[in-house]
Amino acid sequence: EPEVTQTPSHQVTQMGQEVILRCVPISNHLYFYWYRQILGQKVEFLVSFYNNEISEKSEIFDDQFSVERPDGSNFTLKIRSTKLEDSAMYFCASNLALLGNEQFFGPGTRLTVL
Amino acid sequence: GESVGLHLPTLSVQEGDNSIINCAYSNSASDYFIWYKQESGKGPQFIIDIRSNMDKRQGQRVTVLLNKTVKHLSLQIAATQPGDSAVYFCAEKYTGANSKLTFGKGITLSVRP
Repeated sequence: EPEVTQTPSHQVTQMGQEVILRCVPISNHLYFYWYRQILGQKVEFLVSFYNNEISEKSEIFDDQFSVERPDGSNFTLKIRSTKLEDSAMYFCASNLALLGNEQFFGPGTRLTVL
Repeated sequence: GESVGLHLPTLSVQEGDNSIINCAYSNSASDYFIWYKQESGKGPQFIIDIRSNMDKRQGQRVTVLLNKTVKHLSLQIAATQPGDSAVYFCAEKYTGANSKLTFGKGITLSVRP
């Protein structure tokens, strides 16, 4: 069964460093998303992406964040200068456009900022 | 602001019993609702969904009920099993691929053997 994959599973970084979180969405999906979940809290929307551009972003997704689809398979989230409060689980999701609603989530990347 | 939320933070049930998890939503413009299950260390896993033009939908051992009058959503799990132990989230969105999910806080379901 096709699934969304994410790498790495755990990323530890120093405050102020740049990180890139990688996702491979399901191959025939066209809509891509990043969500994050701070430990013990609810999942929060960060950004949606379609047709090589951002469709919507939340107030969390400030100038320190960027997304990219560098090739036909990867979808990345970059944080330019990490802060302690960026520590969270980051989930990638993708959506088959024709159905429109069900988002399939990856296993997540745990980001720890020291 | 509008939000999706859950009434209870934890629920403990006996194996074999039925579980009912409740959720309140406040965004009347949302027309699609989903229940997700999240096991430790994993991403949210789709369980069942319902559109706003329905009030009940059944899956395998799960049923989702939608009461638009009081903006209430519930998930019923029949014959709860140890493998059902997880955190459950309700989420809402507008119909369409380009619409974000808004999640509730999550409730932990613990199944006693």
